[in-house]
Amino acid sequence: QSALTQPASVSGSPGQSITISCTGTSSDVGGYNHVSWYQQHPGKAPKLMIYDVTNRPSGVSNRFSGSKSGNTASLTISGLQAEDEADYYCSSYVISDTLVFGGGTRLTVL
Amino acid sequence: EVQLLESGGGSVQPGGSLRLSCAASGFTFSNYAMSWVRQAPGKGLEWVSGISGSGGNILSADSVKGRFTISRDNSKNTLDLQMNSLRAEDTAVYYCAKDRTTSTVTSVDYWGQGTLVTVSS
Repeated sequence: QSALTQPASVSGSPGQSITISCTGTSSDVGGYNHVSWYQQHPGKAPKLMIYDVTNRPSGVSNRFSGSKSGNTASLTISGLQAEDEADYYCSSYVISDTLVFGGGTRLTVL
Repeated sequence: EVQLLESGGGSVQPGGSLRLSCAASGFTFSNYAMSWVRQAPGKGLEWVSGISGSGGNILSADSVKGRFTISRDNSKNTLDLQMNSLRAEDTAVYYCAKDRTTSTVTSVDYWGQGTLVTVSS
């Protein structure tokens, strides 16, 4: 199972919005609504930010939102803040009843 | 409060074995699928293996099939990963991960703090 494709890095200034893409195939992202997004700060465990494409767990800021079109899912962070600087990973359920992650995107807040 | 506490990491020579354990608390363990996810130094996340809440459905990544075995004891709220024939490329932080669903792996909602496995001669 190949990893989902994410841009290696994105950046934005405080207050701006950024979008991170996550591209898969019809066997994973395109075929199911089990796409999740995770935030990981250096030396820390990942944290779930979005599940089932668009849903936010309790306690996650509404500045984080998710969407999907075809085989590509997206994470949008609005009103960028310094503490948003981190690595972001997407994941998807796969037709083989497994889980696949994206390669990760480093977000830099300028 | 959900807590996942991994143990068993360490250094091992290529070809050796190691058993990781995860003690879970703060939720009804048998109601949720569980996974092991690893992260090599400076690299991204890689799903390793998953097991349904009942333990009846077990899946593994091709990279570890035939070498790693996941298991759970719902009476003790523990998740294990038996790792055999270890290779240098298995060096990583291994995370115990709780899924949001019961029967299969769809989305990890809680992660342990991770345990480091180093495979080197």
